[in-house]
Amino acid sequence: SAVISQKPSRDICQRGTSLTIQCQVDSQVTMMFWYRQQPGQSLTLIATANQGSEATYESGFVIDKFPISRPNLTFSTLTVSNMSPEDSSIYLCSVDPQSYNEQFFGPGTRLTVL
Amino acid sequence: TQLLEQSPQFLSIQEGENLTVYCNSSSVFSSLQWYRQEPGEGPVLLVTVVTGGEVKKLKRLTFQFGDARKDSSLHITAAQPGDTGLYLCAGASSPYNYGQNFVFGPGTRLSVLP
Repeated sequence: SAVISQKPSRDICQRGTSLTIQCQVDSQVTMMFWYRQQPGQSLTLIATANQGSEATYESGFVIDKFPISRPNLTFSTLTVSNMSPEDSSIYLCSVDPQSYNEQFFGPGTRLTVL
Repeated sequence: TQLLEQSPQFLSIQEGENLTVYCNSSSVFSSLQWYRQEPGEGPVLLVTVVTGGEVKKLKRLTFQFGDARKDSSLHITAAQPGDTGLYLCAGASSPYNYGQNFVFGPGTRLSVLP
């Protein structure tokens, strides 16, 4: 298993600004993931972040809008850039410590864009 | 892109009742996970099933993977208010791969009334 923390837990932001979300894991992991969960919806994968390489983005998500950093094996950041109200969601990071398709999630960051 | 469907979408029952939720796809999965998500938290892994026909029990929860590995069910016996939450199934079409190979279902929102 893994224990994951995220900062901030929630934020209210103005349209056009950017927010960086931090994800910290209590152990070294190769694969980290960023998800978006819109109100009342399921999870949509934004990108996979592996240390030492550029993040791999899923269809509909681009690096200019959601830049990701992965400086080491325990930490990652996701930035939501030039925000609009449509970006209001819960953003979750997760890890798969054993690469068995079993993920452990952080508590999420609840973002509201006005 | 593979899709997972879940039914019912919403379920409200009285404490002590039994219930079953379903996760279905037209595609074959190498493994399937069930998660529970409570408000304000990230999803928590409940179980992974990998073998067709496999049945796993976790206290009052019974998970079954279909023989053809295209569907799964979660049965809860004598539901308690603590079982309230969003139940998500997720599956991988091939082991150890993410991206388009790994999807979450839309979820079943369960409410157990005392």
